[in-house]
Amino acid sequence: NAGVTQTPKFQVLKTGQSMTLQCAQDMNHEYMSWYRQDPGMGLRLIHYSVGAGITDQGEVPNGYNVSRSTTEDFPLRLLSAAPSQTSVYFCASSYSRARGPGNEQFFGPGTRLTVL
Amino acid sequence: AQKVTQAQTEISVVEKEDVTLDCVYETRDTTYYLFWYKQPPSGELVFLIRRNSFDEQNEISGRYSWNFQKSTSSFNFTITASQVVDSAVYFCALSEATLGSSNTGKLIFGQGTTLQVKP
Repeated sequence: NAGVTQTPKFQVLKTGQSMTLQCAQDMNHEYMSWYRQDPGMGLRLIHYSVGAGITDQGEVPNGYNVSRSTTEDFPLRLLSAAPSQTSVYFCASSYSRARGPGNEQFFGPGTRLTVL
Repeated sequence: AQKVTQAQTEISVVEKEDVTLDCVYETRDTTYYLFWYKQPPSGELVFLIRRNSFDEQNEISGRYSWNFQKSTSSFNFTITASQVVDSAVYFCALSEATLGSSNTGKLIFGQGTTLQVKP
């Protein structure tokens, strides 16, 4: 199993550009989510999905878009990049509550994004 | 509102010292889960432990131990005989068992504690 994979590892954008951060998992997990990590603020939830075709907003969703067309993939789209979106982005996945509550979330290696 | 507070921003110890990382949480749920993750300098997030709200037994795993006290809403993490390899950022996180009508498994993280272990 590759676990949770994220691409790219590093990205530099100019203000106003758009891009998609890719996330994939091969563990057949129902839950997938995106977090951003900023200094002194821990990780904050951007968007999450409880299954294919179902997504919802987290704590800091503005400026980001997601879709979940398959169980395996959960891409995060930046519509018009802003310097405030400079951060490290983590994708995570886990089994649903139906399989056992409080299941561990598996995290990808992260994408370091800089917006100039 | 659910919240996790790690009041210690940075801790510096000398190798072989014991160190305790504090975590205080707030939730209105009666069923919830608490986690600790380690983030070494390489950047990945490493799962350390999960504890549910009904299990207040302390847990020990090698040099690591966790003290869960519902009465004070705390879930503290102690490293005994610290080593340089323990240097990392440590995150405490809270997962709700239910959220309205949907169980989402969302994690609420504390701000993190940076532990530096000097040789």
